Amino acid sequence: DGGITQSPKYLFRKEGQNVTLSCEQNLNHDAMYWYRQDPGQGLRLIYYSQIVNDFQKGDIAEGYSVSREKKESFPLTVTSAQKNPTAFYLCASSGKGGISYEQYFGPGTRLTVT
Amino acid sequence: SQKIEQNSEALNIQEGKTATLTCNYTNYSPAYLQWYRQDPGRGPVFLLLIRENEKEKRKERLKVTFDTTLKQSLFHITASQPADSATYLCALYFGNEKLTFGTGTRLTIIP
Repeated sequence: DGGITQSPKYLFRKEGQNVTLSCEQNLNHDAMYWYRQDPGQGLRLIYYSQIVNDFQKGDIAEGYSVSREKKESFPLTVTSAQKNPTAFYLCASSGKGGISYEQYFGPGTRLTVT
Repeated sequence: SQKIEQNSEALNIQEGKTATLTCNYTNYSPAYLQWYRQDPGRGPVFLLLIRENEKEKRKERLKVTFDTTLKQSLFHITASQPADSATYLCALYFGNEKLTFGTGTRLTIIP
C-alpha cells in the first residue's frame, strides 16, 4: 500500500524544546518537501530535497533543519530558534522536482508549542 | 515577487450548479499550474495539472482553463455535490524547482 506517512498526527511541546517530525514515503519518489500551513495562509515551503544527501532552503527555513540520508525519509526538526512553531506541518513527495509532477501529501502533523 | 490570488476566501453554491473558482497571478506566467483539494485537517490531494500551452483540461466533472493573457486559471466543478465541499488550492510552478501555492478557496455545496 503505497503512500506517504507522517507521525505523529498531534504533537505538543514546551517552548525551548527541539522537536522532530517524521516523514516517510514508499513511492520511490526522488523529491520531498516540507510545508507549513497557518490559518488563512497558503502552504509555505520550509525545505525541499531533490535527491538523497542534498536539500535546499525554501521560503521560511529559519528555525528549521532537515536531513535526507535515505530516499524514503525526510525528517524535519523544529528548533527552539523558530519564533512561531505552532502550525500544521505537511510533508510531500513527487517523482521529480515539482516540474510537471503532482505532489503527494502526507496527512500532516499539528504541532502545538506552549 | 510572484503573487497568487484565489477569488473569494469562501464560496457557497447550490447543489447541482457549477462552481467556478479563480486563481490569478502577477508577473511571470508559470510553466504549469495545478489544482489540489484539501479537506479539513488533512493533506492536499492533487486534482489536475495544466501546462502553459494548454487552454483547457478536463477530468470527469472537473474542468480547468488557463489564460496566460489574463494571467488567470478557472476551476469548474459541474453538477456539484455536497461531497465536493472542501478547500481548493491552486499551485503554480515558475521554473524554480518548487510550487507556489495560493491561499485557497473554501467551497461549500448547499443541498
